[in-house]
Amino acid sequence: AQSVTQLGSHVSVSEGALVLLRCNYSSSVPPYLFWYVQYPNQGLQLLLKYTSAATLVKGINGFEAEFKKSETSFHLTKPSAHMSDAAEYFCAVTESANTGFQKLVFGTGTRLLVSP
Amino acid sequence: KAGVTQTPRYLIKTRGQQVTLSCSPISGHRSVSWYQQTPGQGLQFLFEYFSETQRNKGNFPGRFSGRQFSNSRSEMNVSTLELGDSALYLCASTREGAGDNEQFFGPGTRLTVL
Repeated sequence: AQSVTQLGSHVSVSEGALVLLRCNYSSSVPPYLFWYVQYPNQGLQLLLKYTSAATLVKGINGFEAEFKKSETSFHLTKPSAHMSDAAEYFCAVTESANTGFQKLVFGTGTRLLVSP
Repeated sequence: KAGVTQTPRYLIKTRGQQVTLSCSPISGHRSVSWYQQTPGQGLQFLFEYFSETQRNKGNFPGRFSGRQFSNSRSEMNVSTLELGDSALYLCASTREGAGDNEQFFGPGTRLTVL
């Protein structure tokens, strides 16, 4: 079974600072990888996804992530944090079922706090 | 294009009752999945429906069930509610045939069991 590890349940940065949220997955086969963001009392919004087309993936709101197979990592970064980035971020990996459906296996989430 | 909609957004029930949640997928999406989100267990897969059939199921007791209608709308039902069922229930729809099976999530239904 697939698993995802997100290091750090909370990450605090100052506005304008670099954001780095860590994600490691367990898979011997390159999976599909996703980063979702969740604002309070809302559902999950897709930030970006890796589908083997390119190792550096650019997403919405200035976020990007780099797939590193040798490190089984897919860390999320943003050069300059904005107050509106404060939210919870989830890394997810797909796990195939024999029906062809690929359910999402989520990490435990990282809450990003941005201070002025 | 309208996104995934879920109703109701908030529910309060008492132990032992049963509850039904509704999800309308994005137009043209035929696969609907349900996830439970709790502070203790995080996000966990409940089940997935496609063409009115449950194709995949997570590790939840039989009290959790669902169905899908011919228009792809889905409902999930929880019977004999327990305090631990308090959670945010998220529905997601997928366009079958998309290579990455990207799932689009609704805003969720917040269930509180007293």
